[in-house]
Amino acid sequence: KNQVEQSPQSLIILEGKNCTLQCNYTVSPFSNLRWYKQDTGRGPVSLTIMTFSENTKSNGRYTATLDADTKQSSLHITASQLSDSASYICVVSESDYKLSFGAGTTVTVRA
Amino acid sequence: SAVISQKPSRDICQRGTSLTIQCQVDSQVTMMFWYRQQPGQSLTLIATANQGSEATYESGFVIDKFPISRPNLTFSTLTVSNMSPEDSSIYLCSVRLAGGELFFGEGSRLTVL
Repeated sequence: KNQVEQSPQSLIILEGKNCTLQCNYTVSPFSNLRWYKQDTGRGPVSLTIMTFSENTKSNGRYTATLDADTKQSSLHITASQLSDSASYICVVSESDYKLSFGAGTTVTVRA
Repeated sequence: SAVISQKPSRDICQRGTSLTIQCQVDSQVTMMFWYRQQPGQSLTLIATANQGSEATYESGFVIDKFPISRPNLTFSTLTVSNMSPEDSSIYLCSVRLAGGELFFGEGSRLTVL
């Protein structure tokens, strides 16, 4: 069973609307949690990285939250744009050398 | 940051043949990683490419099927040997810089007929 579960698997939103993606994990011990954006046909690009002591981090219109007690994270996209259409991948690290990847949430933004 | 170039970006291959994917980084890195990303699934680590020594393979991946070279600190290759349709996937090269940040190449999309 994957140690990182993402939901929803996919979602469609209208341009300008907000959305929130979820990531639940069972990875232990915990080192950090990262969110990546992967455009179709491209490699993943880092959006945020959070350690145990951080509970929110923003990168432009992307805001990630982390609740290390409940082992949950979310990625909130504000005022979505067509360019936000991509797969968003949650990655949880036990250490620098052991990473667990979620299957990703595919976001489609429509005009 | 790191700029990672992968070649080929995509290829269509016949069953039973082999394909070598190249990964070039614009700076010297100690560790390079090869991942497989099958449709709709998580990235799966194939192996860690170590300069000057043999690659370290994850469970389920073997050197005979996925031989890796790491001739220097900026370059690595992954070969997918004796391919079958089940090998159709995106193969990604990745590096970790000193600060811990992980960077990925653009990926190589392989289709095996």
